[in-house]
Amino acid sequence: DADVTQTPRNRITKTGKRIMLECSQTKGHDRMYWYRQDPGLGLQLIYYSFDVKDINKGEISDGYSVSRQAQAKFSLSLESAIPNQTALYFCATSEGRRGPQETQYFGPGTRLLVL
Amino acid sequence: AQSVTQLGSHVSVSEGALVLLRCNYSSSVPPYLFWYVQYPNQGLQLLLKYTSAATLVKGINGFEAEFKKSETSFHLTKPSAHMSDAAEYFCAATHSGTYKYIFGTGTRLKVLA
Repeated sequence: DADVTQTPRNRITKTGKRIMLECSQTKGHDRMYWYRQDPGLGLQLIYYSFDVKDINKGEISDGYSVSRQAQAKFSLSLESAIPNQTALYFCATSEGRRGPQETQYFGPGTRLLVL
Repeated sequence: AQSVTQLGSHVSVSEGALVLLRCNYSSSVPPYLFWYVQYPNQGLQLLLKYTSAATLVKGINGFEAEFKKSETSFHLTKPSAHMSDAAEYFCAATHSGTYKYIFGTGTRLKVLA
């Protein structure tokens, strides 16, 4: 079984709808991250969480919110989806005890299309 | 501010040829550097990372990268390309005091038969 899972894998929604993307991990890691990937732009950090009580904005948090329900679960919400939020979204985790050089482990991604 | 630049958004090589993917960084403090690979319809997985222990870093699948401080580079190489190497490759950086990665824009590698 995969260590970092994301649901759904694909989602089509309409402008103005609220949607939630979910991420679960079985690695026992403290830190979790949400990124979006756009062609030609690489990955940009939306939000990150160092533990259940510590949530921080990344580079592009406007229009997004997150919830860290437990150590293993980190959800990303689009309160009112707009077409330029069409992208590939990745969840990632890291142990949180090895310093900045620690590896991040990525889920398979959620492909979101906002019409 | 830290930044990562990957030269060449698309690179094509023949099977068996040398693979060279370029990454340059900008950082006022010593960086930690990573190469990740993304196969189609999959998430990113770590190929290798530089953590200041050794300037030549060997990774999985025959890839290696050399940290060159004077050139602010961390280029990824593989002596002989295989069809299975076709993927998108991302260079990323962090530094002491942050857990946030800064990613390059990626290089898509195509391997020609």
